[in-house]
Amino acid sequence: QQQVKQSPQSLIVQKGGISIINCAYENTAFDYFPWYQQFPGKGPALLIAIRPDVSEKKEGRFTISFNKSAKQFSLHIMDSQPGDSATYFCAASAGAQKLVFGQGTRLTINP
Amino acid sequence: GAVVSQHPSRVICKSGTSVKIECRSLDFQATTMFWYRQFPKKSLMLMATSNEGSKATYEQGVEKDKFLINHASLTLSTLTVTSAHPEDSSFYICSANQGYEETQYFGPGTRLLVL
Repeated sequence: QQQVKQSPQSLIVQKGGISIINCAYENTAFDYFPWYQQFPGKGPALLIAIRPDVSEKKEGRFTISFNKSAKQFSLHIMDSQPGDSATYFCAASAGAQKLVFGQGTRLTINP
Repeated sequence: GAVVSQHPSRVICKSGTSVKIECRSLDFQATTMFWYRQFPKKSLMLMATSNEGSKATYEQGVEKDKFLINHASLTLSTLTVTSAHPEDSSFYICSANQGYEETQYFGPGTRLLVL
């Protein structure tokens, strides 16, 4: 019940396209859902986060869509750029507790 | 703001020696610090959670005597890998919460190679 399932494992998108990564969870106590971006050899960096009281949050080219009833949330990267090529992790936590991470998605943006 | 640093960024040591990794919150006081381990092309695996002045809480399967965690102040936590062996080679990452916010800010990671 503590798992967060992330898909796809890898994704290739053409420059300018939309990248979509999906996550699903089971623990209804989760109330904080961040997305992290990680470049090789670096620590994860917070991209954007959402709480269950909203269905969508947008920051620049990055949007989180949240479906509470389905217990799913997704990251959309609009106008994807080669610099977006990285590994993306979704995560979830209940309050300020430990984060449960998804398996990660390796995103490649082809120029 | 909310910057977390780690030192060293990379360390190579001989089997049987101990290695200490420092994690510092540079511009905020960290209520809680977390230590993760990450294998190549894998997700982050939480090793332990530490609060200033108290003993760390280790995740199931993590050896407490192997991975010693000290959280001496609100801005510093250390992870000591004792009697390191090649199988301890990994990427170790710390993170910290600011106050009681949910957001975890991650350090840049430490690459450990045990020969």
